[in-house]
Amino acid sequence: GAGVSQSPSNKVTEKGKDVELRCDPISGHTALYWYRQRLGQGLEFLIYFQGNSAPDKSGLPSDRFSAERTGESVSTLTIQRTQQEDSAVYLCASRLIGTGTEQFFGPGTRLTVL
Amino acid sequence: GQQLNQSPQSMFIQEGEDVSMNCTSSSIFNTWLWYKQDPGEGPVLLIALYKAGELTSNGRLTAQFGITRKDSFLNISASIPSDVGIYFCAASFNFGNEKLTFGTGTRLTIIP
Repeated sequence: GAGVSQSPSNKVTEKGKDVELRCDPISGHTALYWYRQRLGQGLEFLIYFQGNSAPDKSGLPSDRFSAERTGESVSTLTIQRTQQEDSAVYLCASRLIGTGTEQFFGPGTRLTVL
Repeated sequence: GQQLNQSPQSMFIQEGEDVSMNCTSSSIFNTWLWYKQDPGEGPVLLIALYKAGELTSNGRLTAQFGITRKDSFLNISASIPSDVGIYFCAASFNFGNEKLTFGTGTRLTIIP
């Protein structure tokens, strides 16, 4: 498809385990973003990539959270030693620089930490 | 993190009614956006506003960028069943800015 895709769509894990969430942006989109959406809340910014670099990591809640992007394409958000408060939907968005501020969102990964 | 103050939190209306929701912030923003999110999906952009005082329409939707740069509203006229969902405002500090700050959402339900 032509949109942003994310995998897995759902992830259930046990407290203390590490998880990796994947985002495949729209082809050619150089900007990529991760957001977190807790139940019944708005989206919270986590990190932004321009190409493979992350000029803004200000939203990462702790050092248990990290993200990387390779080939100006796929990005992976890693959460180490998951906690119950990490339970949320993690959304990825991508944007084509130069066409305004529209970010196209993926469907998200619903993470449940037991 | 910071979130915009969005109201109302929820609305129950009958089909055909008009809807109004708004968003306020203690900070100035230079771009305001309105998104709709359906269950299990990511938000989809409805309207983007780039200039203070700007009033923009998209079909039955009308949105305004407040002159103080600290607020915005969205109106939906003659609501239809497919308008059901959660509406979010979002804002950023500059036109090319990369980080969006989101409101807490307005859940719209249409009563049969």
